[in-house]
Amino acid sequence: KQEVTQIPAALSVPEGENLVLNCSFTDSAIYNLQWFRQDPGKGLTSLLLIQSSQREQTSGRLNASLDKSSGRSTLYIAASQPGDSATYLCAVRPNTNAGKSTFGDGTTLTVKP
Amino acid sequence: NAGVTQTPKFQVLKTGQSMTLQCAQDMNHNSMYWYRQDPGMGLRLIYYSASEGTTDKGEVPNGYNVSRLNKREFSLRLESAAPSQTSVYFCASARIATNEKLFFGSGTQLSVL
Repeated sequence: KQEVTQIPAALSVPEGENLVLNCSFTDSAIYNLQWFRQDPGKGLTSLLLIQSSQREQTSGRLNASLDKSSGRSTLYIAASQPGDSATYLCAVRPNTNAGKSTFGDGTTLTVKP
Repeated sequence: NAGVTQTPKFQVLKTGQSMTLQCAQDMNHNSMYWYRQDPGMGLRLIYYSASEGTTDKGEVPNGYNVSRLNKREFSLRLESAAPSQTSVYFCASARIATNEKLFFGSGTQLSVL
């Protein structure tokens, strides 16, 4: 059974700092890995999706990397802003089980002005 | 561009009452999913539908039923609500066999008293 772990559970940084969020998974037979952002009381917004054949994806100040062999993905946020404060979740889609993605519990990020 | 639409946004039920959560997507996606999100337990898959006319159990299906009414709509029914079903429910969809990015609705906050 796939297990997805996100450490730390919470992170607080001053505005302007670069930061890295971590996502670890136990089964490397994945189809893709997706990073989401969730604001309090809201749904999940997709940030980046990395296919299993890719090493990284970039969107603006966000960069996500994937190392299947070690079962790790990182989400790098450059020049953090208070508006980046949210919970960030990763989800791993397996090669089998027709779309049954497994989610981590998320890292709650607070960026202080 | 509506994406994934869920109704209602909030609902309070008494133990034993029934209700149906509605979900519709306008992105021509073939797969649809129902998740529940609970503090400390992350997102857990209740049921999913890989394509119109098919449904399958997820991680926590007990106490729920689903109907894939057509390609657009996927409903979740609680036949006899229990306090343990107090949660936030999310519907999601994806187009399997392409990049399979998951798109989420804004959620239904359900309280069972």
